Amino acid sequence: DAGVIQSPRHEVTEMGQEVTLRCKPISGHNSLFWYRQTMMRGLELLIYFNNNVPIDDSGMPEDRFSAKMPNASFSTLKIQPSEPRDSAVYFCASSLGVSGNQPQHFGDGTRLSIL
Amino acid sequence: TQLLEQSPQFLSIQEGENLTVYCNSSSVFSSLQWYRQEPGEGPVLLVTVVTGGEVKKLKRLTFQFGDARKDSSLHITAAQPGDTGLYLCAGDSGSARQLTFGSGTQLTVLP
Repeated sequence: DAGVIQSPRHEVTEMGQEVTLRCKPISGHNSLFWYRQTMMRGLELLIYFNNNVPIDDSGMPEDRFSAKMPNASFSTLKIQPSEPRDSAVYFCASSLGVSGNQPQHFGDGTRLSIL
Repeated sequence: TQLLEQSPQFLSIQEGENLTVYCNSSSVFSSLQWYRQEPGEGPVLLVTVVTGGEVKKLKRLTFQFGDARKDSSLHITAAQPGDTGLYLCAGDSGSARQLTFGSGTQLTVLP
């Protein structure tokens, strides 16, 4: 079975550029999560969707970050303009249902470097 | 903000040794999950504990949820190099905020 698929795996770009990260959740999962992982701050929840609707975006750092889920099989996380402090590994995860005790299935992440 | 503190932050041991890592909070969680993350990959769920005092075993791994549901431990018996990874605990407060992840314990098992 296909797991959560993220693209690209690696992205290196200069500050000020727009960055778009993509995620395909596991088929049938109705909750999707975007996380950011750094050495300093660990794994932080940025935003999550249920049935394609954003439920909680309080973890989004600032207005430069936006996320969309146009359908059940695709989500994007966009950073515009990007800054060096956005460098991190960004993970997408999906799960069945909204209950916090549902297991989350993570993709392999996008390693983002902003120069 | 509910915080989960994990200790130790780093642990390096020889193959065959036993170890315990801890996940502590001042908050009560309705459930707690343990994940393992290997380099270049996302976290993978190991176990979910729900009941205070619950003990779950997964081969050589033993997970315990504290009676008050504020803390948890992971004990590994006879560690093997394949156990190397970042161990993350994640608590569910029951609110819409979803999981809160701890900062992790980086375990290295040397052959």
